[in-house]
Amino acid sequence: QQPVQSPQAVILREGEDAVINCSSSKALYSVHWYRQKHGEAPVFLMILLKGGEQKGHDKISASFNEKKQQSSLYLTASQLSYSGTYFCGTRAGSARQLTFGSGTQLTVLP
Amino acid sequence: NAGVTQTPKFQVLKTGQSMTLQCAQDMNHEYMSWYRQDPGMGLRLIHYSVGAGITDQGEVPNGYNVSRSTTEDFPLRLLSAAPSQTSVYFCASRLDRARNQPQHFGDGTRLSIL
Repeated sequence: QQPVQSPQAVILREGEDAVINCSSSKALYSVHWYRQKHGEAPVFLMILLKGGEQKGHDKISASFNEKKQQSSLYLTASQLSYSGTYFCGTRAGSARQLTFGSGTQLTVLP
Repeated sequence: NAGVTQTPKFQVLKTGQSMTLQCAQDMNHEYMSWYRQDPGMGLRLIHYSVGAGITDQGEVPNGYNVSRSTTEDFPLRLLSAAPSQTSVYFCASRLDRARNQPQHFGDGTRLSIL
């Protein structure tokens, strides 16, 4: 079953912040975050493992709430280069496969 | 380091034709998978493999076959193409020995069925 991402789309001005959420009805083993530019392949951002950890990558960070089975991606002081579609991928239980949400389209305007 | 290589990059087929989408990785990854991407649908898993000789179905396997005879290669076969299979296809691979390994994607194959 696909994880649910919200919002579906967001438009920001350069320098503003955004939060993208990813929720699952299953007990998650890990959450992956990827960004995809138009016409390109998805690019890996970070992995969150169960245990409620938070990770950071430049001004992009993420958290994983194991109780809620929810992960959030935080984009701080957004740059034009942050534009693209963000996907969360989840591994549930002992499953080996990664299942992706339908994506959040992020547009950063000057 | 080539990573994940997909061929061809573009293909147009007629309904009923068959073809094979190629995927190869040079990172000695155990896990490989195929996704299709349609507008508004995200990435949907077609088939996956956890090692040579082992394959399993994903969310949308109908109309597609796979095999994994070597660690490096994971081809996807369309036996009788249908217009509903028009999509962008991505192959991905991952080192599967530890749970914190990222998935690497190929550049995709853009397939149109007329």
